[in-house]
Amino acid sequence: QQPVQSPQAVILREGEDAVINCSSSKALYSVHWYRQKHGEAPVFLMILLKGGEQKGHDKISASFNEKKQQSSLYLTASQLSYSGTYFCGTAFNSGGSNYKLTFGKGTLLTVNP
Amino acid sequence: GAGVSQTPSNKVTEKGKYVELRCDPISGHTALYWYRQSLGQGPEFLIYFQGTGAADDSGLPNDRFFAVRPEGSVSTLKIQRTERGDSAVYLCASSLKGSSYNEQFFGPGTRLTVL
Repeated sequence: QQPVQSPQAVILREGEDAVINCSSSKALYSVHWYRQKHGEAPVFLMILLKGGEQKGHDKISASFNEKKQQSSLYLTASQLSYSGTYFCGTAFNSGGSNYKLTFGKGTLLTVNP
Repeated sequence: GAGVSQTPSNKVTEKGKYVELRCDPISGHTALYWYRQSLGQGPEFLIYFQGTGAADDSGLPNDRFFAVRPEGSVSTLKIQRTERGDSAVYLCASSLKGSSYNEQFFGPGTRLTVL
């Protein structure tokens, strides 16, 4: 039930855009996105709830396609500070356990000057 | 305000020893989670507390692992008879409530190395 993230890694030049996908084989209740820099704690980016919503702040946004059981994270005009590993954490509503996140293996994003 | 803190930041122990890892959640957060993160992997759920009780311990790998949260705030993860395979970063997270609507705030983790 671990979500599958793609791509595994991406290298950008500053100012370029990127899309990171998170797919599940099971119906999703919500998707949580985090960014983790090496040796640091994961930092919360946003939550998307079922209903197919889209969210964003600054130049980072995300969508949630309930039918496709997929979420995508969009990074626009990337900055050096965007470098890190991005994780999606998925929650399912089985048995009322929607607090429980199952994380993907991560996508390593490197932004070069 | 203070975030989630974890101590120690690093712990090196020998195979067979007992270790305790501590987590101080954000004040007022009723939900607390423990995760384990191995190199190149995402965090893996271990246990969830709502208040003082362990509401879901389905992620604990075996009975060598145990966690408590006696007063509904600080939590301790206890590992008995450590094995080399227990080596990982142990992350603690807290949220206002235990639901999918609330973001989880992670601590910096404790890096456990079992020699």
